[in-house]
Amino acid sequence: KAGVTQTPRYLIKTRGQQVTLSCSPISGHRSVSWYQQTPGQGLQFLFEYFSETQRNKGNFPGRFSGRQFSNSRSEMNVSTLELGDSALYLCASSLALAGVNGELFFGEGSRLTVL
Amino acid sequence: AQTVTQSQPEMSVQEAETVTLSCTYDTSENNYYLFWYKQPPSRQMILVIRQEAYKQQNATENRFSVNFQKAAKSFSLKISDSQLGDTAMYFCASLHGSSNTGKLIFGQGTTLQVKP
Repeated sequence: KAGVTQTPRYLIKTRGQQVTLSCSPISGHRSVSWYQQTPGQGLQFLFEYFSETQRNKGNFPGRFSGRQFSNSRSEMNVSTLELGDSALYLCASSLALAGVNGELFFGEGSRLTVL
Repeated sequence: AQTVTQSQPEMSVQEAETVTLSCTYDTSENNYYLFWYKQPPSRQMILVIRQEAYKQQNATENRFSVNFQKAAKSFSLKISDSQLGDTAMYFCASLHGSSNTGKLIFGQGTTLQVKP
């Protein structure tokens, strides 16, 4: 059974650009959550999607957005990139809403560098 | 506010010995989960062990066990017979109630090095 797949694994952007990251959950999983990992702030929750609906959102500006498709694949978008957006973006999937079963399976992450 | 605190930024242990990583948390919820995740260098984060708050019995997974002290809001991880492959950053995390679906609260992490 394939794990959580994130693409691209690495990318470099410049300030002001936008970026789209993709996450394919484990087959059969319907929930996808996104986290930002930085050395200074640690791991912070961005949002969770379930059945194409955003179920919960973290404390990030509106430049951070996401969506989920009918096949449960999810994308997150960051517009007007800032240097502080440089981070490892982790996607995690779970069979049901993460608050129900509490177990998340993480992908390897997309490492974004903003110059 | 719900918080998770790991007070040990770095730890080291000799191979085959036992090490304990500390974690404290704060919550006003009655229904929550606690986790330890392992993130090896440049590799994906994996779940090590999970504890449901309503269960009094401490969770165990092979060489990994927890000491869950609910009243003290403490959740430490014990690794027995440490192996070189245990070298990683370990994160303590909590998940509070169905209203906070998907939102894990992570500690700052403890970097563990297992020495041969």
